Amino acid sequence: ETGVTQSPTHLIKTRGQQVTLRCSSQSGHNTVSWYQQALGQGPQFIFQYYREEENGRGNFPPRFSGLQFPNYSSELNVNALELDDSALYLCASSPFGGTVGEAFFGQGTRLTVV
Amino acid sequence: AQSVTQLDSQVPVFEEAPVELRCNYSSSVSVYLFWYVQYPNQGLQLLLKYLSGSTLVKGINGFEAEFNKSQTSFHLRKPSVHISDTAEYFCASANQAGTALIFGKGTTLSVSS
Repeated sequence: ETGVTQSPTHLIKTRGQQVTLRCSSQSGHNTVSWYQQALGQGPQFIFQYYREEENGRGNFPPRFSGLQFPNYSSELNVNALELDDSALYLCASSPFGGTVGEAFFGQGTRLTVV
Repeated sequence: AQSVTQLDSQVPVFEEAPVELRCNYSSSVSVYLFWYVQYPNQGLQLLLKYLSGSTLVKGINGFEAEFNKSQTSFHLRKPSVHISDTAEYFCASANQAGTALIFGKGTTLSVSS
């Protein structure tokens, strides 16, 4: 069974630019969640996708958006990047109906905004 | 507000010593509680979880945690740590909707010889 894979692993962008991060969910998992982990902090929930629709959202502005595809993979898009968007972005997949804490996490994408 | 508080930001211990990492949760979060470990440059790995039933939960790598409802705590323990246990540890709770994890700020466990 394949795990959760994220791409790219590292990324440097300029303030004001847009970025797309990608996540392939674990085999058999149809729910994907995204988290932002700032340096020295715990991860913060951005949103969750199930059946290609947003199924819950944390306290993040609309310039954070996402997509889920029929194969359950997902994208996180961030527009108008700000310096504070610099963080590790984690994707987690889980089977819908399973306990949220049973999610499997990818290794993350380290985004640096300069 | 829903919150999870990890009481120690850093815990240094010697190899083979016991360790306890402390976590309190607010009564407004669900009582689905978890501990995750994060090794450098890696994602999160689930150590153990409490959903219901026995208040003493055993996890991987010799870790265990005890759910204490009266003290709203979920402390993580290991009787004898190894150098390889050096990592960041996060306590988390599911939100009321069950759609997200609420994490504490993390505790850095540093094990030295």
